[in-house]
This record gives sequence, structure tokens and C-alpha cells, in this order.
Amino acid sequence: DAKTTQPPSMDCAEGRAANLPCNHSTISGNEYVYWYRQIHSQGPQYIIHGLKNNETNEMASLIITEDRKSSTLILPHATLRDTAVYYCIVRVRTGTASKLTFGTGTRLQVTL
Amino acid sequence: AAGVIQSPRHLIKEKRETATLKCYPIPRHDTVYWYQQGPGQDPQFLISFYEKMQSDKGSIPDRFSAQQFSDYHSELNMSSLELGDSALYFCASSLVQGTNTEAFFGQGTRLTVV
Repeated sequence: DAKTTQPPSMDCAEGRAANLPCNHSTISGNEYVYWYRQIHSQGPQYIIHGLKNNETNEMASLIITEDRKSSTLILPHATLRDTAVYYCIVRVRTGTASKLTFGTGTRLQVTL
Repeated sequence: AAGVIQSPRHLIKEKRETATLKCYPIPRHDTVYWYQQGPGQDPQFLISFYEKMQSDKGSIPDRFSAQQFSDYHSELNMSSLELGDSALYFCASSLVQGTNTEAFFGQGTRLTVV
């Protein structure tokens, strides 16, 4: 019951910004957009989440469209260590033990 | 900061044996989730517990069972192991209420069934 669509793969040159898109056209009003990444066989790592406003933290920025049907994760200066599978997930944030449902994600390859 | 602890990190079992995986959530987290990730696949949700009660169930085989204990740690019990059970098993924990309800994952247990 994944509710998001992402491109299967993307490339990015080291030092450049990586912009990872996600479509979530059926998102509900109480669902947030979460981004996680998984570096080869490690546990998925939380990156950022948002409801409707743009968000920024030390790892990334999240841009959510006004209609909330899509979003973009931005890694401002990609490094080789950012090579990973990035998952966009919609989830109710609070008041319920809401699971994370992983889709196929985007495999980001950062190159020299 | 304390993270989610899983043990063991690696486990090798023979077919038809049993295995028990353990998960120690981040302190004060009240919810635990279990995921299975087969080779080349994405994590698949198995089961979750909130305040020691099962809160949600995914594609968990009947041969598997899990519980959350009074100290909030959780165990995933797997019986009659099959070759296809070979996978990475991740546990995650979160808080249901509050300002920080993000789920954080452990480093996983790699189960190999031979």
C-alpha cells in the first residue's frame, strides 16, 4: 500500500545539488512526507519530514508543493557518502503507531 | 545519543531450526516495528507493537511471532526456518505522541538459513 512514486535511479556529480522528486498525489490531510535513505545494507536512516511547509535541517531540504501532491528532497552538496537508496514515505505523524511503508525508492549514485 | 540496538548482528541457522531476534528501542520510545529485507528488495513491514500490544500486522508468516516486553524491548521468534527466510531483519522504534515521533532503525540482524 505504498502511496508514493519515485524514479528508480538518478546520478549526481559530487559537489552538486541532488534533487530527488517524489509523487504522492493521494496523500491525506493528516499524512506527512518522510524521507529516509539506506546506505548499502545498513538500517534506513531518517533524513527529514514535512507537512506542507518547506523544511531544512543539517542533512537536506524538503520542498513540498502547495497542493501537497509532490515533493523534492534536496541534498545541497552531494558527496560520495550520499550514494544510497532514498525512500519517500507518507505517514501519519502522531497519535497512532503508524508504520513506514517502503516503496521502491530512488537509487542515487554520486560520482566524481 | 542512544540508538536502536539489535542482537545478534549475524545469525546462521539450519533449515527447520528456530531463531530469536532481539530489539532494544531508544529509551522512552513506546513503539517497535519489525521489517524484513530480502536480497535486492526493499524493506517489508512485518509487525509492530505499541505499549506492549500488537498495533499492526503486515506480511508476517504464521511461523513467526513477536512480542514486546514490559521494558519495551521486543523479540521476533522464527520457527521452522526456510531458506527463503534468509534476509536482513530491521527493528525500528518511535514515540506515538509528542514533538518527535520519527522512527529510527537499528543496524539489523542478518539471518542466513542454510
